[in-house]
Amino acid sequence: ILNVEQSPQSLHVQEGDSTNFTCSFPSSNFYALHWYRWETAKSPEALFVMTLNGDEKKKGRISATLNTKEGYSYLYIKGSQPEDSATYLCASQNAGGTSYGKLTFGQGTILTVHP
Amino acid sequence: NAGVTQTPKFQVLKTGQSMTLQCAQDMNHEYMSWYRQDPGMGLRLIHYSVGAGITDQGEVPNGYNVSRSTTEDFPLRLLSAAPSQTSVYFCTSRVPSTDTQYFGPGTRLTVL
Repeated sequence: ILNVEQSPQSLHVQEGDSTNFTCSFPSSNFYALHWYRWETAKSPEALFVMTLNGDEKKKGRISATLNTKEGYSYLYIKGSQPEDSATYLCASQNAGGTSYGKLTFGQGTILTVHP
Repeated sequence: NAGVTQTPKFQVLKTGQSMTLQCAQDMNHEYMSWYRQDPGMGLRLIHYSVGAGITDQGEVPNGYNVSRSTTEDFPLRLLSAAPSQTSVYFCTSRVPSTDTQYFGPGTRLTVL
């Protein structure tokens, strides 16, 4: 995988449903994987930064896992609420050299939660 | 802290005009960057800086210049605007200890 890829592109769920999305990234020269939540007419807001293989992070009803060996991360939302409607972005950060600190973003997963 | 601020929020330019998008942060972050966001393309890195006096190119640098004379400010200059530069521009700064990047509110630029 040369780029950061997210699936699905969009997702419609009912309030109360649990859902998950996938982020695939290059596993070579990996340093960190970032998740952002981006609401319409606002700027992206950081959710998680994950670095270790097997890492799992949680913030309220949202959690994320990381597999650096195979190059993927899952974002889970338990009991989706209408206010969870947003675009969820992931970004891969490479290690060292001139790549340090640069993020490569996926195109995002657009989540719509229907009341 | 005001965080990352950007001005203007909206701008309309004619082809060939030049302008500067302003970005400032008051968190003493060394690392700052500029991204553009286009439909179907995701966020793409234009230029970044790892500290005052140090800048480097990102993925799509053509047509843009940057400078970093202070830790706080990281302006993005469009030298001769083209319709292909119509986009939403985001400035970010990074927290060194956690690598979390904070985004500014964005500048929506239209080039006619």
